[in-house]
Amino acid sequence: NAGVTQTPKFQVLKTGQSMTLQCAQDMNHNSMYWYRQDPGMGLRLIYYSASEGTTDKGEVPNGYNVSRLNKREFSLRLESAAPSQTSVYFCASSLSKQGMNTEAFFGQGTRLTVV
Amino acid sequence: AQTVTQSQPEMSVQEAETVTLSCTYDTSENNYYLFWYKQPPSRQMILVIRQEAYKQQNATENRFSVNFQKAAKSFSLKISDSQLGDTAMYFCAFMRSNTGNQFYFGTGTSLTVIP
Repeated sequence: NAGVTQTPKFQVLKTGQSMTLQCAQDMNHNSMYWYRQDPGMGLRLIYYSASEGTTDKGEVPNGYNVSRLNKREFSLRLESAAPSQTSVYFCASSLSKQGMNTEAFFGQGTRLTVV
Repeated sequence: AQTVTQSQPEMSVQEAETVTLSCTYDTSENNYYLFWYKQPPSRQMILVIRQEAYKQQNATENRFSVNFQKAAKSFSLKISDSQLGDTAMYFCAFMRSNTGNQFYFGTGTSLTVIP
């Protein structure tokens, strides 16, 4: 029962470096999400994908790009990391089918530090 | 835009006692879902309980129950017989019932259960 798997779990980057956070779900969910969690600010949506082939900006998209590679996978890319992007990142997915349970399932999170 | 407010950044409760966590939200929608998630020190996001807005009956899951007041846009979580394992951050979340929509999270309440 893998659920939502995101990699890596920890990462340290230097300012200006790039990296991609990977996320995959095996629940045949339609929607996928990337959040960042910062102390005192809850979870803020970076980007989401309502269905395969679509992506939309969330509340804090600047400095990030995403790719919905297929129905299972949704990656988040930092092109030029900045210290302000130091955070814990969560990938999530949900069935998002009207009339059905639509809770979000989360990955284990990635703690990213930009120095 | 939807907003979710958790006005209690930190709370504590004696083991075996009852505690209530508050959550209010702002929306013009009539159909939506509400959730409480628990985040223990392991960082994993765990669904505690969900409520569909069209249901008048308050949801319950063992020791966890909600007080859903639709007109007041209030969704509080009651934890009965608190246990040490309940120590965690708790997030209230809102989602519209349309497909592919975003989950909006509050800033969280850090709950400590005191032995």
